[in-house]
Amino acid sequence: KAGVTQTPRYLIKTRGQQVTLSCSPISGHRSVSWYQQTPGQGLQFLFEYFSETQRNKGNFPGRFSGRQFSNSRSEMNVSTLELGDSALYLCASSTDRTEAFFGQGTRLTVV
Amino acid sequence: EDKVVQSPLSLVVHEGDTVTLNCSYEVTNFRSLLWYKQEKKAPTFLFMLTSSGIEKKSGRLSSILDKKELFSILNITATQTGDSAVYLCAVATGANSKLTFGKGITLSVRP
Repeated sequence: KAGVTQTPRYLIKTRGQQVTLSCSPISGHRSVSWYQQTPGQGLQFLFEYFSETQRNKGNFPGRFSGRQFSNSRSEMNVSTLELGDSALYLCASSTDRTEAFFGQGTRLTVV
Repeated sequence: EDKVVQSPLSLVVHEGDTVTLNCSYEVTNFRSLLWYKQEKKAPTFLFMLTSSGIEKKSGRLSSILDKKELFSILNITATQTGDSAVYLCAVATGANSKLTFGKGITLSVRP
């Protein structure tokens, strides 16, 4: 069974640009959650999608947005990038309210 | 605001030692507590605990939850260098899949 796939693995962007990250969950998983991981703050919840609907949202500014498609694949978008957005972005999938399985992450560097 | 606190923040032991990693939590509408191991990128799932007092075991790793005192421990016996990693504790709350993470415990096992 294929795991959670995140693309791209690495990204370098300039301040002010926008970026889109992609996550393909494990087959059959309908819940996809996104997390930001930084050395200072650890893993912080961004948002969760279930059956194409945002079910929960963390305390991040509106520059961070996401969506989920009918095949459960999810994308997250960050607009007007800031240096502080440099982080590892992790996607996790689960069936629903069960253990979450994580992808390898996308390492975003903003310069 | 939901809070998960792990201790100690870092630990250095020698191969063969036994370690105990702690996780306490203060959350609303607790559903389950999860432990993950993170070596490079993707946190890998170890245990999910929902009931007090029932030990979960996998090889040299074991974990238990105390819902009255609001904490969990992860034990690793006969540690090996391959156990070196960051150990993350997370709590699931409510009716969705959001996880609140602690800052993680960095375990270093020396030969």
